[in-house]
Amino acid sequence: QITLKESGPTLVKPTQTLTLTCTFSGFSLTASGVAVGWIRQPPGKALEWLALIYWDDDKRYSPSLKNRVTVTKGTSKNQVVLTMTNMNPVDTATYYCAHHHFGDFDYWGQGILVTVSS
Amino acid sequence: QSVLTQPPSASGTPGQRVTISCSGSSSNIGSNPVSWYQQLPGTAPKLLIYSDNLRPSGVPDRFSGSKSGTSASLAISGLQSEDEADYYCATWDDSLNGLFGGGTKLTVL
Repeated sequence: QITLKESGPTLVKPTQTLTLTCTFSGFSLTASGVAVGWIRQPPGKALEWLALIYWDDDKRYSPSLKNRVTVTKGTSKNQVVLTMTNMNPVDTATYYCAHHHFGDFDYWGQGILVTVSS
Repeated sequence: QSVLTQPPSASGTPGQRVTISCSGSSSNIGSNPVSWYQQLPGTAPKLLIYSDNLRPSGVPDRFSGSKSGTSASLAISGLQSEDEADYYCATWDDSLNGLFGGGTKLTVL
């Protein structure tokens, strides 16, 4: 059974750096073709694709956020970390991590609402 | 503003068939498979359709997907009240970056 869960701060101040951790179980990020992605959703708005890290450490980033977002494998084999710099109130959103296989996000975490406010 | 264009809303009565469109370009939908996600209120999205027209295990066959050129569609037949949700199309661009549509809110009247 594949599960994922996002963790991190729920409130950050403008200009701060956000660090979120995705802790997963039921699969290995060393298996060929597997990836973990990050998607966010501002309140009442659409999904936005942020980043993806593959089993072989290849990474993809949204062009609009490429300069601010970094995704890495965590120190634990079952974790992936998203870092986003220079947070702004418009970055207030629910952040999801998801299991990605053969091009699709087939398992999602519950999401974590991050509010950017002073 | 999303690169993939969906109507902001759609509606139908129970039992009806509704379709939701997703329009893109040759560099995304035209050259990559399309997925559809269903997001019930207050929950995480759920994969509904992948590879243009395939259903994951457990998804009712009332849901179907199709693609032609640079556009894709999601059809829901035998509409039920529990289908009331937001629906998103998704695909990739030529740089293998992911794209989501702007979402369509489906109301069951």
